[in-house]
Amino acid sequence: TQLLEQSPQFLSIQEGENLTVYCNSSSVFSSLQWYRQEPGEGPVLLVTVVTGGEVKKLKRLTFQFGDARKDSSLHITAAQPGDTGLYLCAVDSTTDSWGKLQFGAGTQVVVTP
Amino acid sequence: EPEVTQTPSHQVTQMGQEVILRCVPISNHLYFYWYRQILGQKVEFLVSFYNNEISEKSEIFDDQFSVERPDGSNFTLKIRSTKLEDSAMYFCASSEYLGTGGYEQYFGPGTRLTVT
Repeated sequence: TQLLEQSPQFLSIQEGENLTVYCNSSSVFSSLQWYRQEPGEGPVLLVTVVTGGEVKKLKRLTFQFGDARKDSSLHITAAQPGDTGLYLCAVDSTTDSWGKLQFGAGTQVVVTP
Repeated sequence: EPEVTQTPSHQVTQMGQEVILRCVPISNHLYFYWYRQILGQKVEFLVSFYNNEISEKSEIFDDQFSVERPDGSNFTLKIRSTKLEDSAMYFCASSEYLGTGGYEQYFGPGTRLTVT
């Protein structure tokens, strides 16, 4: 079972600052997904990255997949209070899986006005 | 925008009782999943379902659990005899197969199951 490590566990910043969170593993993945989860709600899909070195942008969010497809980062520019949430990375946990996602523990981001 | 829906939002049951959690996946999706999240812990895979049968299941998904797609729209998770440790948020998800993009899963809002 691949272990996904997310860092930091918790991040508190002021509105307008930038932040980066990381998702790392020793295993190679065919694809990786980022989700955001609010308390008491389901994870909301933000992006899927597939190609090593790929960069995807979603408004102020920039996602990068590592060249070796073992790690990924999420960068938020000029964070706003609405960006507060638990950011989760997830991967298909086996090469022949039918979408059995393994989740990291998440990074809790708090953006204060 | 299409979304996954789940009912009920909160279910309270006594230990030993049967519960059925319901989900309506996104209409053109063919792959369906159940996950659970115990308070303060990671989201954990329970089972995947395709073409009217289970594709994969985790160790958590023992004989007390079953899934069914009783009609063209609903997808259910049944726990036959609930235990205290079954208390958790249960999430349904659905996806289509994207080839190299894998299975891009969309999650429902969850059912909070409380076993007393």
